[in-house]
Amino acid sequence: AAGVIQSPRHLIKEKRETATLKCYPIPRHDTVYWYQQGPGQDPQFLISFYEKMQSDKGSIPDRFSAQQFSDYHSELNMSSLELGDSALYFCASSRGGNTIYFGEGSWLTVV
Amino acid sequence: GESVGLHLPTLSVQEGDNSIINCAYSNSASDYFIWYKQESGKGPQFIIDIRSNMDKRQGQRVTVLLNKTVKHLSLQIAATQPGDSAVYFCAENKGSRNNDMRFGAGTRLTVKP
Repeated sequence: AAGVIQSPRHLIKEKRETATLKCYPIPRHDTVYWYQQGPGQDPQFLISFYEKMQSDKGSIPDRFSAQQFSDYHSELNMSSLELGDSALYFCASSRGGNTIYFGEGSWLTVV
Repeated sequence: GESVGLHLPTLSVQEGDNSIINCAYSNSASDYFIWYKQESGKGPQFIIDIRSNMDKRQGQRVTVLLNKTVKHLSLQIAATQPGDSAVYFCAENKGSRNNDMRFGAGTRLTVKP
């Protein structure tokens, strides 16, 4: 079965640079979520989209933005990167309020 | 072996023993709960879910118990195996329209051979 696809899997950026992460949800899923997980931490909800509209916002910094496109893929844009942004970023998707399925994550390292 | 509360981040059990991982949730309006298993460097994997109209749900070697009175959720793993070693998270639906799941603090389960 198709899963949530994230790219790139690994990314290294310098401080103050910009990074973009991409997410391709499971086909026919109508909701996309972004989570950030720091080392040894639980996943923290950043933002979600339902049918291409932002539906909920969590602890997403103002330096970050996200959108969902007409083909339902989503991108998380992170600007003015800081060392503390180094984390594993997960995208997840769900359909009709059912189980959320996670991708394998994108590792971002800020140096 | 059993974890107690959200502030015990590790649980160590012998292979073959039963494991109980506990979780307290915060929102009495939450109506959907999921247990996820996360292995190192991987995304959380769905284990089992339960809706608030149920008290218990069983899967293969796993059972989830929900006590709405005290807002407590537990995951029981029978005959724990080395492959069960991972971090386990409970997640609750905050009751929003779009099923926005929020995670609780994880518990690291270590299975000793």
